[in-house]
Amino acid sequence: GAVVSQHPSWVICKSGTSVKIECRSLDFQATTMFWYRQFPKQSLMLMATSNEGSKATYEQGVEKDKFLINHASLTLSTLTVTSAHPEDSSFYICSAPRGGINTEAFFGQGTRLTVV
Amino acid sequence: AQSVAQPEDQVNVAEGNPLTVKCTYSVSGNPYLFWYVQYPNRGLQFLLKYITGDNLVKGSYGFEAEFNKSQTSFHLKKPSALVSDSALYFCAVRLGAAGNKLTFGGGTRVLVKP
Repeated sequence: GAVVSQHPSWVICKSGTSVKIECRSLDFQATTMFWYRQFPKQSLMLMATSNEGSKATYEQGVEKDKFLINHASLTLSTLTVTSAHPEDSSFYICSAPRGGINTEAFFGQGTRLTVV
Repeated sequence: AQSVAQPEDQVNVAEGNPLTVKCTYSVSGNPYLFWYVQYPNRGLQFLLKYITGDNLVKGSYGFEAEFNKSQTSFHLKKPSALVSDSALYFCAVRLGAAGNKLTFGGGTRVLVKP
């Protein structure tokens, strides 16, 4: 079964509103989680690293005020797309490593965001 | 900086034939290499990884991959492809010193025809 759960699977929102996406590790604690964005027929682009109890680390070119990340517990990270615009429409995926650097990362099911 | 290249955007193969998806990498240290598969509108599923040890790694669903240090490659293979193997495949690399951050290749779409 899934070890990382992402919710919602899809969401449609109006321009100017905010949308929150949740990423939960189901049977393990994750001090670090990762948020990716995937455009159609393209690879995953790392947006930010979510760190439990501290500020997220954003990749170059990603607006931290636009994409708010909160990692309030060892099993939950949230990504909030603020003041969404149509160009924010995309597939967002979270992941969490279950162990050390030798272990594979587990991915959520992804969230399809459509801003109208 | 670490990078991953998947030279083929798409691979077409007949069901029952061998399947190969190519991946080359560039890192300055010892690489940790991964293969993931993605079905439409889904997250990524782990297939296999190379950390150390035997160069031939066996993974889920009959897939295997061979780590070739001299050619800096980590090609994914399956001896007999199934129609259900049709999906998007990603190669990824992690440099141990860089923590858990993964760098993905561009992805290769596999189409297995009956």
